[in-house]
Amino acid sequence: GQQLNQSPQSMFIQEGEDVSMNCTSSSIFNTWLWYKQDPGEGPVLLIALYKAGELTSNGRLTAQFGITRKDSFLNISASIPSDVGIYFCAGQSFNAGGTSYGKLTFGQGTILTVHP
Amino acid sequence: NAGVMQNPRHLVRRRGQEARLRCSPMKGHSHVYWYRQLPEEGLKFMVYLQKENIIDESGMPKERFSAEFPKEGPSILRIQQVVRGDSAAYFCASSPIGKPQHFGDGTRLSIL
Repeated sequence: GQQLNQSPQSMFIQEGEDVSMNCTSSSIFNTWLWYKQDPGEGPVLLIALYKAGELTSNGRLTAQFGITRKDSFLNISASIPSDVGIYFCAGQSFNAGGTSYGKLTFGQGTILTVHP
Repeated sequence: NAGVMQNPRHLVRRRGQEARLRCSPMKGHSHVYWYRQLPEEGLKFMVYLQKENIIDESGMPKERFSAEFPKEGPSILRIQQVVRGDSAAYFCASSPIGKPQHFGDGTRLSIL
């Protein structure tokens, strides 16, 4: 089945630093999404990407959908303590009918720790 | 608007008992998905349902697990004769067609 490789596995940074994480896949996805999960809670959608090459921002977050449709990255600028959490990439493929298929394939997650 | 509601938040069962996990999607969302998450791992897809239909159950074990999304009421993930390996966090997500999935806060299932 499809697999996503997410890196780095964990990051320890100082407040104010920029952060970058990425996901690569052995197969093509039609949609890339980035989620953040806090302890004891469900994943919260940060950014959704729908077109190859697309670059989208949400406040201090910027994500890109790779040209090959097999990768995506997420950048966080000027990190703050509340950025702490686990970040997941997820890919979604179209089904045979060409409509957006429901199943998400998740990366293993990047654990972000921000020191004040 | 209320988000995706899951209950119970925590569920403890003894081996051999049944576990029922409930999920109410966001208003206007007709698609429901169930995922399982083990500690320090990503979410793994189990099943995708629309009202009264199972669209994809490729991630759900063939035995002991079942899911439904009736015309009225919440979606139910049912695990019969639970075993220790069923201990995990189970997340439900919902979406309108073609839109991103939004997740509930999960049910933590513990098997004694």
